[in-house]
Amino acid sequence: DIVMTQSPDSLAVSLGERATINCKSSQSVLYNSNNKNYLAWYQQQPGQPPKLLFHWASTRESGVPDRFSGSGSGTDFTLTISNLQAEDVAVYYCQQYYTTPFTFGPGTRVDIK
Amino acid sequence: QVQLMESGGGVVQPGKSLRLSCAASAFTFSSYTMHWVRQAPGKDLEWVVLMSYDGTIKYYADSVRGRFSISRDNSKNTLYLQMNTLRDDDTATYYCARGAQHLVQGSFDMWGQGTTVTVSS
Repeated sequence: DIVMTQSPDSLAVSLGERATINCKSSQSVLYNSNNKNYLAWYQQQPGQPPKLLFHWASTRESGVPDRFSGSGSGTDFTLTISNLQAEDVAVYYCQQYYTTPFTFGPGTRVDIK
Repeated sequence: QVQLMESGGGVVQPGKSLRLSCAASAFTFSSYTMHWVRQAPGKDLEWVVLMSYDGTIKYYADSVRGRFSISRDNSKNTLYLQMNTLRDDDTATYYCARGAQHLVQGSFDMWGQGTTVTVSS
């Protein structure tokens, strides 16, 4: 199985500042045949189901504010939230869908400092 | 609007069975791979199982293989999860999620609100 790790476990950021979340996969999730990274990011706000933010590591879903950005390739990925807003308080998960089981990272909790 | 709605959760004794349902609306259910994902209280997300759009492909997590069974009725726009020989560690909120269109590999772009399963004597 591909093991997904995330760092940090949690972070507190002041309103308007930047939050950076790292995700690492135990093996590459880049398909050479199409040059796509099979990596998604989700946001789970308290009491809510997860919401897809990015697929293919960096393709933002419709309606996701552009202060969110996804980057990385192969085994190392980053979710950046610029200009943090109060509504961004949530747990953020990365997930690989390169191969089953489609494993999730353990999540990173983002709070307001 | 486009949505998924789970039902069938409840409190069940260890070793018993339960069947969850996920009703889809406002999209072409028969075109999409569907997934079940669970989340134990205060814990991380765990992918459980998928079924391809036409029902021909199923993959299970090791933790449920042989005990859980996924199925779908495309005429009723409904996904099912039959859970047998339930254990304490199956206690979780179970979400159904929409995967890729006509493909197995893809992100989960729509989630239901979840249904809670509690396994307890």
